[in-house]
Amino acid sequence: QVTLKESGPVLVKPTETLTLTCTVSGFSLSNARMGVSWIRQPPGKALEWLAHIFSNDEKSYSTSLKSRLTISKDTSKSQVVLTMTNMDPVDTATYYCARINRLFSDAFDIWGQGTMVTVSS
Amino acid sequence: DIQMTQSPSSLSASVGDRVTITCQASQDISNYLNWYQQKPGKAPKLLIYDASNLETGVPSRFSGSGSGTDFTFTISSLQPEDIATYYCQQYDNLGVTFGGGTKVEIK
Repeated sequence: QVTLKESGPVLVKPTETLTLTCTVSGFSLSNARMGVSWIRQPPGKALEWLAHIFSNDEKSYSTSLKSRLTISKDTSKSQVVLTMTNMDPVDTATYYCARINRLFSDAFDIWGQGTMVTVSS
Repeated sequence: DIQMTQSPSSLSASVGDRVTITCQASQDISNYLNWYQQKPGKAPKLLIYDASNLETGVPSRFSGSGSGTDFTFTISSLQPEDIATYYCQQYDNLGVTFGGGTKVEIK
């Protein structure tokens, strides 16, 4: 069974750096046909893609957030880590990690449950 | 970046009705278009990939069509459990874009 699970702080202060971890099981981060993305959703709003990473370490970032984001992976730990610097209250959202399946037009075929992050002093 | 314009933003229909949602890309994306269903408080779920391919286990009342810049998502007979927000999503070599979502409610 394929699962992804997000972990990280529930509350961060403005200007702090957010670090989120996605732990995957049921597939390997070395699988060339799979990748992992981070996607967020502010309360009551639409989904917003943040970044993705593939087995060959290919990375891509949202144009609007690129300067604040870093994505990395530890294949041996089955973990993908996202850091976002200079957090602001507008970054308050549920953050999801999702598997990208290159066999399905790079669709997000499996999602984590999401983790809510609030930015407040 | 490619922009995805989804419409309507919300709709209300009766059980058994045919429901149609459209998604327009700002440039040609061939068939690289996926559709998701998100129920309140839950993560999105993939329904359709490559514009028209039904994900395994998804009921056949859901369908998708289109290519290039114009895409359509259809629920042939709306069921109470279909109450959710639906999103289109495209992928290109620059990244990923989601549509703004369509909230589907029962009349």
